This record gives sequence, structure tokens and C-alpha cells, in this order.
Amino acid sequence: DARVTQTPRHKVTEMGQEVTMRCQPILGHNTVFWYRQTMMQGLELLAYFRNRAPLDDSGMPKDRFSAEMPDATLATLKIQPSEPRDSAVYFCGGSHPNTGELFFGEGSRLTVL
Amino acid sequence: DQQVKQNSPSLSVQEGRISILNCDYTNSMFDYFLWYKKYPAEGPTFLISISSIKDKNEDGRFTVFLNKSAKHLSLHIVPSQPGDSAVYFCAATLTQGGSEKLVFGKGTKLTVNP
Repeated sequence: DARVTQTPRHKVTEMGQEVTMRCQPILGHNTVFWYRQTMMQGLELLAYFRNRAPLDDSGMPKDRFSAEMPDATLATLKIQPSEPRDSAVYFCGGSHPNTGELFFGEGSRLTVL
Repeated sequence: DQQVKQNSPSLSVQEGRISILNCDYTNSMFDYFLWYKKYPAEGPTFLISISSIKDKNEDGRFTVFLNKSAKHLSLHIVPSQPGDSAVYFCAATLTQGGSEKLVFGKGTKLTVNP
């Protein structure tokens, strides 16, 4: 049963530390998204890729966030340095190439102290 | 600027009754509208969608209505069941330059009481 896998599921870190979140999209889902869920903003789009090329990362704070897809099986979202306001659940998703349906991972809950 | 708005953060209904979740949008260029359901500690899962050229789509207990002139859509669940208790996100797709972006509302937490 194909699914999107995200690691870590939970991360607690101190302000200023680097955080890397990883995502393994479903094979063949060539559009990959990173979303952040907070109480205030709901689900915000941070970045997305098509065929591993970044298409839009305008939702991401560029000074501290970076998103990459080193290969088709791995997407990463890095925060350096992390801040308490980055505390949120980060979701990775990939869209089915035919239907466009978006499949999400279970999320990475980040707490920055 | 919130292009997709869900103005009710929560909704509570009795089992067996109808649940109506509402969503408003501002961008007339959206081409598809979708509803996602999210349980705690899980990622959102797709529920139902509607093309911007339609005004209704039905799938079992779930029906989505689209009023383009009012830039409004709604999700009807009837009859509501306790297992429907979740956060429901309204989303819209925007196709620009050959790429598709999905924009979400903030969500509405539905509680169905037995």
C-alpha cells in the first residue's frame, strides 16, 4: 500500500539549531509539496517541486528555510537556524500524475524551544 | 491574503443530521475545488472535488455545491456519523504557467455527537 513517508514524526529542538525534515513521496508522484500547519494560518504552502525542479517557494522564509529534492525518492526541508515561531506540523505531499489527487504524509511535528 | 476562507473554525451536529461546511474564495481563476479531511496525528486525506464548470458533485453521503457567482462552496454530509468528526479543509487549485498550486483554507473542526 503506497504512502508518503515523513521523518522524523516528532522533533524537539532548541532555538538556533538546524532541523532537517525528510519526505519519501509515492513513486511516480512527480509533483511534491511542503505544507506547514499552524493554528493561525491553517495549511500554508511552503514550496513545491515538479520532476525535482523547484517551481514555487514563495511561501517559504528564504533566509532560514531551504527545500531540495536530491532525487525522485527524497525531498528535504531544512531550517537553519530554527526559531520558536517555526513550531508547527510540516506535511509533505505528492500529487498523482493522472488525477492530481494530493497524498499527504503523516507530518513532522516540530517544536522549537 | 487568504484566498480560500473557512470562516467557521468549528461546527457541532447531532448524529444523523446534516453537516454543512462552508468555504469562500476570492480568486476567480481557481479551476478545481477540493475538500480534505484530517484526523489528529494524520495527514489530510482527499474527500471530494468539483470542477469550476460544475455546480454540484455527489459521492455517497458527501455532496459539494459550488456557487461561482458568490465565490462560495459548501460540503454537505448527510447523514452525519460520529466517524466524520475531523477537521475539514477546503482547497482550490490554480494553474499558472503549466504548474498547479493547491491553496487551503484554515479548516473547520466538525464534531458529530452520538
